[in-house]
Amino acid sequence: EVVLTQSPATLSVSPGDRATLTCRASQSVSSNFAWYQQRPGQAPRLLIYGASARATGVPARFSGSGSGTEFTLTITSLQSEDVAVYYCQQYHNWPPITFGQGTRLEVK
Amino acid sequence: QVQLQESGPGLVKPSETLSLTCAVSGYSISSGYYWGWIRQPPGKGLEWIGSIYHSGSTYYNPSLKSRVTISVDTSKNQFSLKLSSVTAADTAVYYCARNSGSGCVDYWGQGTLVTVSS
Repeated sequence: EVVLTQSPATLSVSPGDRATLTCRASQSVSSNFAWYQQRPGQAPRLLIYGASARATGVPARFSGSGSGTEFTLTITSLQSEDVAVYYCQQYHNWPPITFGQGTRLEVK
Repeated sequence: QVQLQESGPGLVKPSETLSLTCAVSGYSISSGYYWGWIRQPPGKGLEWIGSIYHSGSTYYNPSLKSRVTISVDTSKNQFSLKLSSVTAADTAVYYCARNSGSGCVDYWGQGTLVTVSS
């Protein structure tokens, strides 16, 4: 099973600033990798798939990068609506599909 | 627009079987994709339970495989989850979802809270 480790656990960023979230895989998952946003009280929402492709309707200030075992989600010009928990997911070797433990993003 | 809606009991007794159904609208299950279940214990992260292909092939999380059954009813455009011998550790919000061909989840239901308690 591929284990995904996200860092940091919590990130506090000022409005308008950049947020950088990281996810590390225990083995290579190539680019079979996604990021999700879960706002309070809502279901998760697909943000990024294929490590760097934005899902439909996702603003351009969200970008994903990486391949193999190291992945990054970058959010530029942070807005209050970006307060959420962000999860990474791999789908290279499944079953099982696995998720990271999440990074909580707060706005200062 | 693809929409998924979970339904089923919100309270299940320990040792009994949890049963949920997901009704799909805006897309015919028989046209393709994988359809699955993901759960989230209160205040915790996401756990993939399993998925079923439109043809009926199933894929389960090894940690739950012995207790899980996912089935599909293409005539009703819905799929179902059964989880047997539940304990308090199975208390969670259960989401039904569509896996894209590669495996990422592109559509989610709103989720339904299932509590295991006597």
